[in-house]
Amino acid sequence: DAGITQSPRYKITETGRQVTLMCHQTWSHSYMFWYRQDLGHGLRLIYYSAAADITDKGEVPDGYVVSRSKTENFPLTLESATRSQTSVYFCASLGGQAEAFFGQGTRLTVV
Amino acid sequence: SQQGEEDPQALSIQEGENATMNCSYKTSINNLQWYRQNSGRGLVHLILIRSNEREKHSGRLRVTLDTSKKSSSLLITASRAADTASYFCATDGTSGSRLTFGEGTQLTVNP
Repeated sequence: DAGITQSPRYKITETGRQVTLMCHQTWSHSYMFWYRQDLGHGLRLIYYSAAADITDKGEVPDGYVVSRSKTENFPLTLESATRSQTSVYFCASLGGQAEAFFGQGTRLTVV
Repeated sequence: SQQGEEDPQALSIQEGENATMNCSYKTSINNLQWYRQNSGRGLVHLILIRSNEREKHSGRLRVTLDTSKKSSSLLITASRAADTASYFCATDGTSGSRLTFGEGTQLTVNP
């Protein structure tokens, strides 16, 4: 299916565990982003990528790692999950008209 | 800190009324965008206005941009209950395609 998909949609993990959130887009967009959205708030940029093998930090990168070996995939890894990382995570890609296309989100709970 | 800040934080109106939301930002931009988020879903792009434009229309949406005041407004005319959602402004800055979002306005349209 065309679009941008995230997996899993829901995840519960324990403090200290490593967790990887997946993001896949079918458009071959160059730019991709990871945001987190805490309850009742806006989106904060974690990491972004301008192309395969090019990534850069956003506003809140601490505790997260990204990679982009292929244009279509942009996984986000929490190296050692903490309760403060409980949030909804959104992946997005940037279209040709500078508009962002968002995935459905991953709701992560760290217990 | 967030580049964009929306005002008001919450807005409740009756169906058929117009809804106006405002966004202020801090640094120079290439363009400003508005997005909509239904509860529990990803963001959906509504409209983009470039820094050299002052006003733009799309259906029932009207966006204005005042770069001297670093502010934008989104007007939804003849609102419907289905317009109930959170609305976010996003700016890219002039250094690249890194999108920064505000905290959002929660719009409730009562039938």
